[in-house]
Amino acid sequence: AQSVAQPEDQVNVAEGNPLTVKCTYSVSGNPYLFWYVQYPNRGLQFLLKYITGDNLVKGSYGFEAEFNKSQTSFHLKKPSALVSDSALYFCAVRDINGYNFNKFYFGSGTKLNVKP
Amino acid sequence: NAGVTQTPKFRVLKTGQSMTLLCAQDMNHEYMYWYRQDPGMGLRLIHYSVGEGTTAKGEVPDGYNVSRLKKQNFLLGLESAAPSQTSVYFCASSYSVRGGENTGELFFGEGSRLTVL
Repeated sequence: AQSVAQPEDQVNVAEGNPLTVKCTYSVSGNPYLFWYVQYPNRGLQFLLKYITGDNLVKGSYGFEAEFNKSQTSFHLKKPSALVSDSALYFCAVRDINGYNFNKFYFGSGTKLNVKP
Repeated sequence: NAGVTQTPKFRVLKTGQSMTLLCAQDMNHEYMYWYRQDPGMGLRLIHYSVGEGTTAKGEVPDGYNVSRLKKQNFLLGLESAAPSQTSVYFCASSYSVRGGENTGELFFGEGSRLTVL
């Protein structure tokens, strides 16, 4: 079955330190990969995506993500965390092949807490 | 350019009442989706549509109906609300990825918070 895993419910990091939010997926073929951020009482906002090409993709607010095909992972990273980065982060995968090509699969979300 | 707009933003219903959530997008997207978000359960797909006049079931369709009479609108209906349908509902839309040009990220509305008493 197609699935996306975010193994950490919560990640705590001090402001100024690097952060990583992990995502692994089990979706056949070469799916499209996304990260979204959700602030309290708001909708999900698109951060970045991997379609093809360079394994390191850059997105909004200084975030980047590293695609690793062999490990089927797409970890979100930022070199220096800000308190304002505190939010809920979702990894998503879009199946672009076969019967399920229009479906998105979401991880369960990781709450990022950045402490001053 | 409003993006994806959901109405209403908040609603309180009594068990057994009916209601409709409206989603409107102005980006000419082919695909539209309804999700619900519950604590600890992430996003779950209720129904989706790949084009005007077509709808399909997601992973949690029971108790909901949808219609897509116009390309820009996707309606989610609750015929007889139950407390288990208390949730935050999100509409999203995207382009098709076929054709190679659009990379098909989802655009979300701000959510509709529904409480069923």
